[in-house]
Amino acid sequence: GNSVTQMEGPVTLSEEAFLTINCTYTATGYPSLFWYVQYPGEGLQLLLKATKADDKGSNKGFEATYRKETTSFHLEKGSVQVSDSAVYFCAYSSASKIIFGSGTRLSIRP
Amino acid sequence: EAGVAQSPRYKIIEKRQSVAFWCNPISGHATLYWYQQILGQGPKLLIQFQNNGVVDDSQLPKDRFSAERLKGVDSTLKIQPAKLEDSAVYLCASSFTGPGSLTDTQYFGPGTRLTVL
Repeated sequence: GNSVTQMEGPVTLSEEAFLTINCTYTATGYPSLFWYVQYPGEGLQLLLKATKADDKGSNKGFEATYRKETTSFHLEKGSVQVSDSAVYFCAYSSASKIIFGSGTRLSIRP
Repeated sequence: EAGVAQSPRYKIIEKRQSVAFWCNPISGHATLYWYQQILGQGPKLLIQFQNNGVVDDSQLPKDRFSAERLKGVDSTLKIQPAKLEDSAVYLCASSFTGPGSLTDTQYFGPGTRLTVL
């Protein structure tokens, strides 16, 4: 069935380190892909999205490229900050609903 | 622009009691969603409304959960009777249209954390 698989956490990095959170999906057709972020005590916020193959979504220094051939949408950031500590959810939208991954908790040490 | 409002933020009840959650979406958003987020998991869609009509309630446990959006604006989600496994964060989201629109975005409220003892 349709699903999203993302890197298990928690992920702990030092400030200014390079970040990759892997995400792969199983879906028919051409879904839109998303990364949502949930900061402590807050609701989910859309971080970035891509709507077709080879599109790159970007926001706040984060990037992810829609790779149809590998069904992946990995999240990257070149230099993380303490304020990036949060839970990150990969998701896709197809036809009538959004399917979320289980989330990856990211902690950044000063 | 005001965001999605939810209340209460926290609720503790005993099993077999009933509970209700309220959501007010962003003004003008036709589509409203209720999600259940169990600790350590991603949000799972319970029900989706388009205006005051149900679009998808395939994952709503209808023997104990109910939801309504009578005037096509705010919505309530009810659990009666609650079970221990209903302990979760209940998230409400809204969007201008539905996710069938490739450019649409869902905006989430802060959630209601339910603990069933």
